[in-house]
Amino acid sequence: EADIYQTPRYLVIGTGKKITLECSQTMGHDKMYWYQQDPGMELHLIHYSYGVNSTEKGDLSSESTVSRIRTEHFPLTLESARPSHTSQYLCASSDASRGGFEQFFGPGTRLTVL
Amino acid sequence: GENVEQHPSTLSVQEGDSAVIKCTYSDSASNYFPWYKQELGKRPQLIIDIRSNVGEKKDQRIAVTLNKTAKHFSLHITETQPEDSAVYFCAATDSGYSTLTFGKGTMLLVSP
Repeated sequence: EADIYQTPRYLVIGTGKKITLECSQTMGHDKMYWYQQDPGMELHLIHYSYGVNSTEKGDLSSESTVSRIRTEHFPLTLESARPSHTSQYLCASSDASRGGFEQFFGPGTRLTVL
Repeated sequence: GENVEQHPSTLSVQEGDSAVIKCTYSDSASNYFPWYKQELGKRPQLIIDIRSNVGEKKDQRIAVTLNKTAKHFSLHITETQPEDSAVYFCAATDSGYSTLTFGKGTMLLVSP
C-alpha cells in the first residue's frame, strides 16, 4: 500500500548527540517536506525538496540538515541535539510535478532530548 | 512571506450543532487553501480544499468558502458528531506554490 513511513516513531536521546530521522514514501511523489509540531500546535516547515539533489530551507532550518539522494528517501539530521529540539517531527510528500497540492503526512517521530 | 491567522483557537459545540472556523491570509497571490484534520496522536489528513477560482466547495457535511477580496476563508461543519472532535488546521500556499503556511489550529470538541 502506498504510504509514508517514518522511523523511529519514538526517540529519547541525550544532549549533544547526532541523530537522523528517517522518512520514506512509496507514493511515487516528487516533493517532500519536514515539519516540526508541538502536540496540537501549528506546523512549522523545516526543510523541503523538489526532487533528487534538491533541498530548500524552511522557517526553522538553521539547526538541521537534509539530503535527497533517492526520490523516495528524505532523512533529517540534527548534528547536536538540544532540549529545545524536543518535539514531534512530521514528514510529508506531494505529487507536485502533476499539479498535486495535497500534502500527505507520515505518522511522525516523537523526539525527546534530555 | 505568507501569514495565516486562524480563529477560534478552541470551539466547543453540542452534537448536531454547526461549527465554523475562520482563517485570514496575507498574500493576495495565494491560490490554494486546504483544511487538515488531526485527531489526537494521529497524522494530519486533508478533509477539503479550495482553489482561488472557486468561491465555495462542499463535501457532505463539510464546506469551505473563500472571499479573495477580503482574503479570508472558512470551514463549515454541519450536524457535528463526536468523531468530528479534533484539531483543524487551515493553510495557504505562497505565491509560487512552493510551500504551505499553516494556521495555529482550532481544537474542536463535540459533546454528545
